Amino acid sequence: DGGITQSPKYLFRKEGQNVTLSCEQNLNHDAMYWYRQDPGQGLRLIYYSQIVNDFQKGDIAEGYSVSREKKESFPLTVTSAQKNPTAFYLCASSTPGTGQNEQFFGPGTRLTVL
Amino acid sequence: EDQVTQSPEALRLQEGESSSLNCSYTVSGLRGLFWYRQDPGKGPEFLFTLYSAGEEKEKERLKATLTKKESFLHITAPKPEDSATYLCAVLDNAGNMLTFGGGTRLMVKP
Repeated sequence: DGGITQSPKYLFRKEGQNVTLSCEQNLNHDAMYWYRQDPGQGLRLIYYSQIVNDFQKGDIAEGYSVSREKKESFPLTVTSAQKNPTAFYLCASSTPGTGQNEQFFGPGTRLTVL
Repeated sequence: EDQVTQSPEALRLQEGESSSLNCSYTVSGLRGLFWYRQDPGKGPEFLFTLYSAGEEKEKERLKATLTKKESFLHITAPKPEDSATYLCAVLDNAGNMLTFGGGTRLMVKP
């Protein structure tokens, strides 16, 4: 089955630590996205990538970093510079420019800072 | 800057009681308006894409409509399993980024 996987489902981090969230897709989508969702709120874009080896900052990129070395993978690192990292993180993918712009989402990773 | 506002924030319905959710938007050029359903602790599930004013799409008890300023998600005779948060988003003029509204949390009681 094609889809998007995120791991881990739950992640606990101590203050001052960097952590990396995994996102993999086998949908052959060109574009991938990372969003953050806080309780009772909508999604805010952190970073997105339209092609391999290229990515752009979204609305709230400070304290985060990404890489796109493979089409299938778009890991997100939450650095110690992110002041309030506790949130639900969602990865998505799409095929922009084909007339079908829907983004499909993974199951999410819930990050808690202890 | 694109903006999306959803109302109400929460909606309680009795099973079978039809209603509508609103999504108001301001964009420099609409490339698409998207509706998603999100269950607690899960990723959003794609429902509909609307591209131009006057367009309508249906799926089971849900019907989405679009005008130049807003979109409605009509729910006809809802069931408890329709309880979820419904998210609306618009695609930016470049076709790269989605801007989401805050969502409407729908609760349908039997």
